[in-house]
Amino acid sequence: DSGVTQTPKHLITATGQRVTLRCSPRSGDLSVYWYQQSLDQGLQFLIQYYNGEERAKGNILERFSAQQFPDLHSELNLSSLELGDSALYFCASSGPNTPLHFGNGTRLTVT
Amino acid sequence: GENVEQHPSTLSVQEGDSAVIKCTYSDSASNYFPWYKQELGKGPQLIIDIRSNVGEKKDQRIAVTLNKTAKHFSLHITETQPEDSAVYFCAAEASGNTPLVFGKGTRLSVIA
Repeated sequence: DSGVTQTPKHLITATGQRVTLRCSPRSGDLSVYWYQQSLDQGLQFLIQYYNGEERAKGNILERFSAQQFPDLHSELNLSSLELGDSALYFCASSGPNTPLHFGNGTRLTVT
Repeated sequence: GENVEQHPSTLSVQEGDSAVIKCTYSDSASNYFPWYKQELGKGPQLIIDIRSNVGEKKDQRIAVTLNKTAKHFSLHITETQPEDSAVYFCAAEASGNTPLVFGKGTRLSVIA
């Protein structure tokens, strides 16, 4: 168990809808990262937060947004969903001088 | 930005044989290189990592080598077992706290 908790595990929704993915980082970790894993695309970095502030942005679509709350949990919001957004979404966390630990992901299916 | 290439994309070995996965990176400033193992239905799990001031690191049956001049690093698994079957990802990180950039993964199958 990595200590990173993601909910829900599975999400099925229709095109055009909006969903929220939730992540609780490991105890003591201030940084939270979101990655998208599509078939044959590996792990694509979306966005990073550090202690509530956005730290780095990757290939995140404008339809997607995220935030990190004072209790350090994070949410990834995906809106106007398209079929191509179907993927595994991973949250990971790290602390000072500690490696990145991943949660078990949320599998999103857009129909 | 950093770009990480990983080869091969799939690898099948007989139980007991060795497996080698290779990665190259583009940013000479990268100084941290972890390897992750992803089993079905789970998130990637760190199995070994190496920093740029070290050329090789071993942990039981797993070893990683780094060649900074050539900008490539490799994962070596000896005496493979069926439970080693998984997808393996290499990654690279430039100066501290920048997000890891991952290779596209290698699906390793160990045949009993």
